[in-house]
Amino acid sequence: GQSLEQPSEVTAVEGAIVQINCTYQTSGFYGLSWYQQHDGGAPTFLSYNALDGLEETGRFSSFLSRSDSYGYLLLQELQMKDSASYFCAVYTGGFKTIFGAGTRLFVKA
Amino acid sequence: DAMVIQNPRYQVTQFGKPVTLSCSQTLNHNVMYWYQQKSSQAPKLLFHYYDKDFNNEADTPDNFQSRRPNTSFCFLDIRSPGLGDAAMYLCATSRDGSGANVLTFGAGSRLTVL
Repeated sequence: GQSLEQPSEVTAVEGAIVQINCTYQTSGFYGLSWYQQHDGGAPTFLSYNALDGLEETGRFSSFLSRSDSYGYLLLQELQMKDSASYFCAVYTGGFKTIFGAGTRLFVKA
Repeated sequence: DAMVIQNPRYQVTQFGKPVTLSCSQTLNHNVMYWYQQKSSQAPKLLFHYYDKDFNNEADTPDNFQSRRPNTSFCFLDIRSPGLGDAAMYLCATSRDGSGANVLTFGAGSRLTVL
């Protein structure tokens, strides 16, 4: 089957750095995306990696290693508003995006 | 602002009573999707339309149907909702499936089945 594994919960303090890991096993792979979802809100796109390496967008960075079927989302200078669920997702082609179960991030003051 | 709008945001129905959820988009995207998200779980793709071409996921129950009368609108029909169908239903769009196929989601319709 196809699966994405990520931790269910992470807690960090304001101003710190946190890394959310994702490993995947899928029948196809075009790229790894990350989405953020606040409680009661819609998932919103954060980043996409199609090639190995690090992509940086402001306080957020995302990394991919295709040989290891592994990626992570790095959040720096954490703010209270970053408390949300973060989903990794693999685009397998054919309009199909498979999501992980999400990592709930709690940011403490 | 271009966006994806879902109505209603909250829907309560009785066991077995049909329900229709709607989605509209102003992004002029070719692809529209319906995902089901249960509490603390991953969004699960039910089906998608590329323009007028409909694609049903293999494990989507027959109880779920969809219509896309035009580019802007897409509907999810649940013919006979069961208790297990209580979930958040997310509509999403993407431009054309190329590149990252970035999904733009609506705020969701939360369905309660009594």
